[in-house]
Amino acid sequence: GAVVSQHPSWVICKSGTSVKIECRSLDFQATTMFWYRQFPKQSLMLMATSNEGSKATYEQGVEKDKFLINHASLTLSTLTVTSAHPEDSSFYICSARDPGIDTQYFGPGTRLTVL
Amino acid sequence: GQQLNQSPQSMFIQEGEDVSMNCTSSSIFNTWLWYKQDPGEGPVLLIALYKAGELTSNGRLTAQFGITRKDSFLNISASIPSDVGIYFCAGLIQGAQKLVFGQGTRLTINP
Repeated sequence: GAVVSQHPSWVICKSGTSVKIECRSLDFQATTMFWYRQFPKQSLMLMATSNEGSKATYEQGVEKDKFLINHASLTLSTLTVTSAHPEDSSFYICSARDPGIDTQYFGPGTRLTVL
Repeated sequence: GQQLNQSPQSMFIQEGEDVSMNCTSSSIFNTWLWYKQDPGEGPVLLIALYKAGELTSNGRLTAQFGITRKDSFLNISASIPSDVGIYFCAGLIQGAQKLVFGQGTRLTINP
């Protein structure tokens, strides 16, 4: 099946610093990528939809100035958590939509811990 | 936001038993997807369904797209220890980009 990679797989940072997470689709060109957040024992919560070459669409309650999304190419989207705080600690997962078969493939996730 | 009703929420079974879980909605979906998530990992696509009534298998897994387009089920036959994990259904409404997720079914297998 299609492969979506994320980097880094985990990161620990100090409060107040910014962290960038990369999401790459390796097998297909993804015009649309998605960023999710997942809390323990819960389902995935969509944060934003990232469209190549245009501004991301954020879900209600997600601060666009805090979670910066850039989708500069058809195979790469980045999520930057700015001025991270302990409450931003979570599991962040991206997905990429394969337009040819209308299916989404998920990355392996990034565990963010803010001290 | 909108969610699919997925049941059961958890299952405790013996190795070798068959498993069945389903998702229902009040909305009509054009695509149904079933994923499995292991701890600390992202969801992995198991089966994708695109047509009402479609029945698709992937090894010991079988999933069906309901005739009404408002439900789907996933069956696992002869469960083995590596089947342990959380299974999510997800659906796409026509014209939409965003997936709607079920709450997940946590599968535990007793050896």
